[in-house]
Order: sequence, then structure tokens, then C-alpha cells
Amino acid sequence: AQKVTQAQTEISVVEKEDVTLDCVYETRDTTYYLFWYKQPPSGELVFLIRRNSFDEQNEISGRYSWNFQKSTSSFNFTITASQVVDSAVYFCALSLSGGYQKVTFGTGTKLQVIP
Amino acid sequence: DTEVTQTPKHLVMGMTNKKSLKCEQHMGHRAMYWYKQKAKKPPELMFVYSYEKLSINESVPSRFSPECPNSSLLNLHLHALQPEDSALYLCASSPREGANNQPQHFGDGTRLSIL
Repeated sequence: AQKVTQAQTEISVVEKEDVTLDCVYETRDTTYYLFWYKQPPSGELVFLIRRNSFDEQNEISGRYSWNFQKSTSSFNFTITASQVVDSAVYFCALSLSGGYQKVTFGTGTKLQVIP
Repeated sequence: DTEVTQTPKHLVMGMTNKKSLKCEQHMGHRAMYWYKQKAKKPPELMFVYSYEKLSINESVPSRFSPECPNSSLLNLHLHALQPEDSALYLCASSPREGANNQPQHFGDGTRLSIL
């Protein structure tokens, strides 16, 4: 069975600080997909990034960056120069390959950016 | 604005009422999903429709009845709900079932309160 652990329940940072959200996953499969979603107070889950297990390149998108390390089964998410609009709950998720595979979500990290 | 539209945004109903949640997408996606999300918890999968056919039912009580009239619409019919069914109900779609490397696109959700 798959498992996604987001050990940080809530994080508060002051605007313009950098913040890293941790994600650790467990799976016995060698092919899998990792995702990050953002859920603002409005409720919608916003897709941020998808990474497959064979692509360990780190990715940067504007102020967002992701560090995927298979050796430690981690897929961490860093926001640089945080802004108030980044305040939300962030979910890390995993799904396996082959047919339909349920998405396993972590428990989420609530990020509060204080002005 | 999301590409997956859910109505209503909020719904309050008594335990004896019958109501329906609606979800619509016009992205040509052939897989649609219902999730239930309790406060401070990750989304939990309820149903998956693939090409308008029910593909997965995650042992959801029969008081929840999904329906997929066409490839763009997904309904969730509610009857004789219990107070513990109060939650945010999220609809999502993806290009096709099994495309787990493709992210699911979520709507804003319907916040349901059972009196």
C-alpha cells in the first residue's frame, strides 16, 4: 500500500521568507507519479506539479521549486519570497502506474504567510 | 475560475431531504470523480466514472447515488443523509481513466451541511 506523509501540520512565515514543505512517500512500485496541489480557502484543489519516478530533475517555476530525491523518498516543495496569496493548504499526493490507480493524498500542510 | 464547475457552492439540507450536487466540465475529459473532504483532512475518493460508466465505488453508502448523464456532466444524488455526511464534496476530471500521469482538475466544491 502507498503512503504519503506530510509531517508539518501548520507552518507560519512572514512575507518574503522562504519556506519548504516536506513530503515523504512510501511505495514498493518502481513506477509512480507524485503531485503537489494547493487548496486555498475557496476550496478548489489547484494542480501545481506532476513528477514521474524516473525523472529526478528538480524543477523551478517562478517562486516555486521542487526537490525530488528517490534515495530518501522525498518530494519537497519550496516557495521563495513567500506572499500572502500563498496562504493555503498544500497536499502532496502519489499514484501508481498501470490502469486506474487511486491517488493517495498526504494529510496536508497549512501554510500561513503573515504580512 | 476553474474549468470544473460545481453547483451549488453551499447546501444545507435536512436528513429527510433529497438533493443533488452537479458537476460540469468542457475539457473533453472522459474520467470524472467525486471526492469527500472533511475539515482538516485530505480528499477521500468516492466514485470514478470512466466514459460515462461507473468504474469505481469506494464502498460508499447507498444514500449517495452518482449519475453521469453524458461526458460533460456528473451528478451526486443525496437522500437520507446523516450529520456526519457534512463535508466539502469535490468533483474532478482527467483526460481518461488510467492516465494517472495526468493531473486531475478539481472544482471549487460544494460545502454540504446536514441538519
